[in-house]
Amino acid sequence: DSGVTQTPKHLITATGQRVTLRCSPRSGDLSVYWYQQSLDQGLQFLIQYYNGEERAKGNILERFSAQQFPDLHSELNLSSLELGDSALYFCASSVGTGDEKLFFGSGTQLSVL
Amino acid sequence: GESVGLHLPTLSVQEGDNSIINCAYSNSASDYFIWYKQESGKGPQFIIDIRSNMDKRQGQRVTVLLNKTVKHLSLQIAATQPGDSAVYFCAENRKGSTLGRLYFGRGTQLTVWP
Repeated sequence: DSGVTQTPKHLITATGQRVTLRCSPRSGDLSVYWYQQSLDQGLQFLIQYYNGEERAKGNILERFSAQQFPDLHSELNLSSLELGDSALYFCASSVGTGDEKLFFGSGTQLSVL
Repeated sequence: GESVGLHLPTLSVQEGDNSIINCAYSNSASDYFIWYKQESGKGPQFIIDIRSNMDKRQGQRVTVLLNKTVKHLSLQIAATQPGDSAVYFCAENRKGSTLGRLYFGRGTQLTVWP
């Protein structure tokens, strides 16, 4: 168990809908990262938050947004969902923002039908 | 372009043999590397890391070798066990990158057969 908690584990929804994925980092970790994993793209970095503020942005679509709350948990919001958004979404956390390993949650499997 | 890549997408080994998984990187500015293991239905799990000031680092049954001259990273697993069957990713830390620190390779599927 990495200590990173993600909910829900599975999410099935329809095109055009909006969903929210939730992540609680390991105790003491200030950084939260979101990654998308699909069969053809591998693990793609979406966005990073550090202590409530956006730190880095990767290949995140404009339809997607995230935030980190004062208690350090994070939410990833996906809107106007398309079939191609179906993927595994992982949250990871780390203590800071330096050269350090990330600890991953078990992911949310999103299926858009 | 710059990338983290793996030489082989799949690797099959017999239980008890040693496994070697390779990874190439092209960004000479990368100074920190991590190997992750991902089992089916789970998130990536940290195995071992190495910084660019080292050539070799050993863990429990695993060794990571870093060759900065040819930008090559390898993960050696000793006495491979069925529980080692998983996808293995190498990741490089690109210092100063504005697109996120860790870049992951595509992964190598390791299958261990009895």
